[in-house]
Amino acid sequence: EVQLVESGGGLVQPGGSLRLSCAASGFSFSSYAMSWVRQAPGKGLEWVSLISASGGTTKYADSVKGRFTISRDNSKNTLYLQMNSLRAEDTAIYYCAKVHSSSWYFPYWGQGTLVTVSS
Amino acid sequence: EIVMTQSPATLSVSPGERATLSCRASQSVSSNLAWYQQKPGQAPRLLIYGASTRATGIPARFSGSASGTEFTLTISSLQSEDFAVYYCQQYNNWPPLTFGGGTKVEIK
Repeated sequence: EVQLVESGGGLVQPGGSLRLSCAASGFSFSSYAMSWVRQAPGKGLEWVSLISASGGTTKYADSVKGRFTISRDNSKNTLYLQMNSLRAEDTAIYYCAKVHSSSWYFPYWGQGTLVTVSS
Repeated sequence: EIVMTQSPATLSVSPGERATLSCRASQSVSSNLAWYQQKPGQAPRLLIYGASTRATGIPARFSGSASGTEFTLTISSLQSEDFAVYYCQQYNNWPPLTFGGGTKVEIK
């Protein structure tokens, strides 16, 4: 059974940093691209970032480019999102999602971790 | 960036009735479109990919179709567990991967 468990969310001041983690199990983590998708309170889904299976290719939404860094440790079956220079508009639930093997949609999602950026 | 527009924003339907949700892409996305269902407090769940292929374990009352840049999700006979928010997502031309704004299906 595929399981994705996010952690690392919390309250942070504007301009601060936070690192999210997503522990994966139930599949061959190193064989799949992974992604982060966020959802602001009461709003829709927004794709944030994606990393290839090897970690060699990363993509970002313009809204986070230059501030967020996606990475992975295939030896630990863990996905990360380093978030710097956080803004109030980054407040959201952040979901980790497994990317389909041959296309760019999301068959599996974690339960999410809440990031609140506020003073 | 491909903009996905969903309509209506809210759909009021009685249990047992048919629900038809629309998603329009600002340019061609071929058949590279997925639909997700999200219930309050839960993560999204994949329903449909490739515009019309049901994901594993999704009941047959859910179906997807496409006509050019217009996509439709149909729920043939709404069950109580189907009241939720539904999102479409294109994955043809990215970054960015883009979602529609969602359609909330509520009990009439």
